[in-house]
Amino acid sequence: AQSVAQPEDQVNVAEGNPLTVKCTYSVSGNPYLFWYVQYPNRGLQFLLKYITGDNLVKGSYGFEAEFNKSQTSFHLKKPSALVSDSALYFCAVRDLRSNDYKLSFGAGTTVTVRA
Amino acid sequence: DARVTQTPRHKVTEMGQEVTMRCQPILGHNTVFWYRQTMMQGLELLAYFRNRAPLDDSGMPKDRFSAEMPDATLATLKIQPSEPRDSAVYFCASGLGTPYNEQFFGPGTRLTVL
Repeated sequence: AQSVAQPEDQVNVAEGNPLTVKCTYSVSGNPYLFWYVQYPNRGLQFLLKYITGDNLVKGSYGFEAEFNKSQTSFHLKKPSALVSDSALYFCAVRDLRSNDYKLSFGAGTTVTVRA
Repeated sequence: DARVTQTPRHKVTEMGQEVTMRCQPILGHNTVFWYRQTMMQGLELLAYFRNRAPLDDSGMPKDRFSAEMPDATLATLKIQPSEPRDSAVYFCASGLGTPYNEQFFGPGTRLTVL
């Protein structure tokens, strides 16, 4: 079984401050991990993914995420948040041992960046 | 710029009516997913296809929902009869048929059943 938890429903930060959105996962094998962002009235947009290799993954719009196997975490980070980063963020996982192509999504974290 | 397209973008209908939502996946993508998003339940996977064959529709209410891929460029999701609890945003996503590839989402169909 595969699952993802996003422990924070909401994250509020001031523009220019660092932004972190937390994600922990559970899989029986090794994980493929993804981050998506959803702006109001839009579909989900892919931000970045971890497949293998370097634990620090860089993605779109200045975002990065760090894979931590011992803590089963894949937190999303941005060094300096922008008001335009305000959106709903989803973490997702797929177990390498899985025979299907389904992603398990977290419940989402609403990020609000205040000017 | 390749995108997943969905029609209609908005649909308002009355309870009991049939609703058909359409999706055109990105050319060359062989996996297609249907999701439903509500405030209460979040993002739920309804069904998905690979090479036009249904692989999993366990998330879909079988008595009223059906999903098909008549050809590689069209996926459909039908609800018959529709009920107010079906009101949600329905997303289609497509991807390359490998486990490590991301899914690309369409803009969604916002369905309101009165």
